[in-house]
Amino acid sequence: EVQLLESGGGMVQPGGSLRLSCSGSGFSFSNYAMSWVRQAPGMGLEWVSGISNRGGNTIYADSVKGRFTISRDNSENTLFLHMSSLRADDTAVYYCAKEEVATLEASWFDLWGQGTLVTVSS
Amino acid sequence: DIQMTQSPSTLSASVGDRVTITCRASQSISSWLAWYRQEPGEAPKLLIYQASTLKSGVPSRFSGSGYGTEFTLTISSLQPEDFATYFCQQYNSYSYTFGQGTKLQI
Repeated sequence: EVQLLESGGGMVQPGGSLRLSCSGSGFSFSNYAMSWVRQAPGMGLEWVSGISNRGGNTIYADSVKGRFTISRDNSENTLFLHMSSLRADDTAVYYCAKEEVATLEASWFDLWGQGTLVTVSS
Repeated sequence: DIQMTQSPSTLSASVGDRVTITCRASQSISSWLAWYRQEPGEAPKLLIYQASTLKSGVPSRFSGSGYGTEFTLTISSLQPEDFATYFCQQYNSYSYTFGQGTKLQI
């Protein structure tokens, strides 16, 4: 079955760190760029970060630049998001999403994970 | 960043109705637009890409149109499973941006 499965969410204090993982299966993970998209409670969708198929190129939304790091391990078909200096407004469900291309170019998201909730609160 | 504005925010309709959702971009995005459906507690699912191309497996009652800055998603005859929230997304340039969503309710 073609799917993405996130893990690693939880509650963390402001200023803390957390690492999210996303495991892909049923498709050639290393052939596709991947992204993280988040959704604050009751709100819309916000693209967070993207990475090319081999990990050589990454890009970030201004809201997370310098605090979040995206990476991938193609040998394990896994995408990561390391989040640091977390703030209350980072509270959201974080989805990993597969793009239809290998590089960081115009593409829609044709496969999404089920999401993992990150809550930043003291 | 390119701003995406959807309307309406909420749409009340009945089974069998034809409905249209509009998405406007703050600058031209050619045909670089996708539509997603999200049911409560679930991840978004792709319906349409390239403004008008239906993803394989998506029912033909869904259609998309538009170019440049104005786009529409039309559902020709609403089915019970269509009552959900719909988002548009531009992928003309990073940062990718989404519309705020349209909640389709009975």
